[in-house]
Amino acid sequence: GAVVSQHPSRVICKSGTSVKIECRSLDFQATTMFWYRQFPKKSLMLMATSNEGSKATYEQGVEKDKFLINHASLTLSTLTVTSAHPEDSSFYICSASGTDANTGELFFGEGSRLTVL
Amino acid sequence: AQSVTQPDIHITVSEGASLELRCNYSYGATPYLFWYVQSPGQGLQLLLKYFSGDTLVQGIKGFEAEFKRSQSSFNLRKPSVHWSDAAEYFCAVGARFSGGYNKLIFGAGTRLAVHP
Repeated sequence: GAVVSQHPSRVICKSGTSVKIECRSLDFQATTMFWYRQFPKKSLMLMATSNEGSKATYEQGVEKDKFLINHASLTLSTLTVTSAHPEDSSFYICSASGTDANTGELFFGEGSRLTVL
Repeated sequence: AQSVTQPDIHITVSEGASLELRCNYSYGATPYLFWYVQSPGQGLQLLLKYFSGDTLVQGIKGFEAEFKRSQSSFNLRKPSVHWSDAAEYFCAVGARFSGGYNKLIFGAGTRLAVHP
């Protein structure tokens, strides 16, 4: 299957700093990538849909100025948590549409655990 | 609105016993349905998917699921559970998005514990 890689897998930062998480599709081109957030022992919450070369579409209740998403190429999308605070600590997972995008199947990255002190 | 319900938050079974994880969905059209598994601190791995055709689908690791349109269900089954199956299981429905692509809507998940 297609491979999606996230980096870093774990990051710890001080409150007020910004953190960037990368999501790469390694062996396919992903015109659409999705960013999810997962709280402990909870399900995945879709944060935004990222389309290559255009602005991301954010889900209701997600602050677009807090969570900056850039999808500059067909293989890379980045999520930047700006001015991070402890409540932003979470597990962030990206996913990308496979070649059969119409069926909705997604390939997921390994996730990035953010801890804000 | 599209939604997915997994009624069981936590299930415990003995190793070697059979397993059924329940999933009900709400979607206006023919759904694309998925089951994913997540080990602690890891990403999601696709177990199986239903798009069309045979309503009984086979997946990896000995899992299968049956799509029942009349019950709006897509329950996951395994005849004999192994200790390594302990994980979080998510059911998801692929919903057509207004932008032309699909996005997945996940259920709350079911945490499976396996007793030796």
